[in-house]
Amino acid sequence: GAVVSQHPSWVICKSGTSVKIECRSLDFQATTMFWYRQFPKQSLMLMATSNEGSKATYEQGVEKDKFLINHASLTLSTLTVTSAHPEDSSFYICSARSGQQETQYFGPGTRLLVL
Amino acid sequence: AQSVTQLDSHVSVSEGTPVLLRCNYSSSYSPSLFWYVQHPNKGLQLLLKYTSAATLVKGINGFEAEFKKSETSFHLTKPSAHMSDAAEYFCVVSLMEYGNKLVFGAGTILRVKS
Repeated sequence: GAVVSQHPSWVICKSGTSVKIECRSLDFQATTMFWYRQFPKQSLMLMATSNEGSKATYEQGVEKDKFLINHASLTLSTLTVTSAHPEDSSFYICSARSGQQETQYFGPGTRLLVL
Repeated sequence: AQSVTQLDSHVSVSEGTPVLLRCNYSSSYSPSLFWYVQHPNKGLQLLLKYTSAATLVKGINGFEAEFKKSETSFHLTKPSAHMSDAAEYFCVVSLMEYGNKLVFGAGTILRVKS
């Protein structure tokens, strides 16, 4: 149980385009989903927290207009990187948890390369 | 404030020998602590978690960790390393006062030599 999927696993796009990444909880209802970013050889940094049906809460320094997060259902959250630039190239990982549980279950990650 | 310090960025062991990955934390509250493993180009997998029950926590794949409040440590151990254990390991603390937001340590890369 507690499986989280992400799609796509890899994406290459041109600078200036937008990219949407999906995160799904496959066998549980994810009341809260989290989006992290991981640069090469670095740890995970939390970008934002989203609760189903409400606006996401962004961490300091993360541009909400550039990284659009939608959490419209209990099993799906999306992250859209708008007007992507090469510096947005990174490994994006989502996680999900149910209710007030502390344990987060992580997706396999999406590697974004912006040319 | 809460934070997590992983004392070694790289650890190298021979197959069949013990593994010790060190983690210290600072916390204003009784913390919840986790160890996650990340294989190359993969997401994170939960190895084990401590949530104020037994101080010795057993996880998957033969790993265990001991919560020592007096030393503010939560070191990860395994009696005998296997080649498949080669990966990056993250010690993580849950920030209770911020809705259980996770704070990650910098990570320790474990190399297992044959």
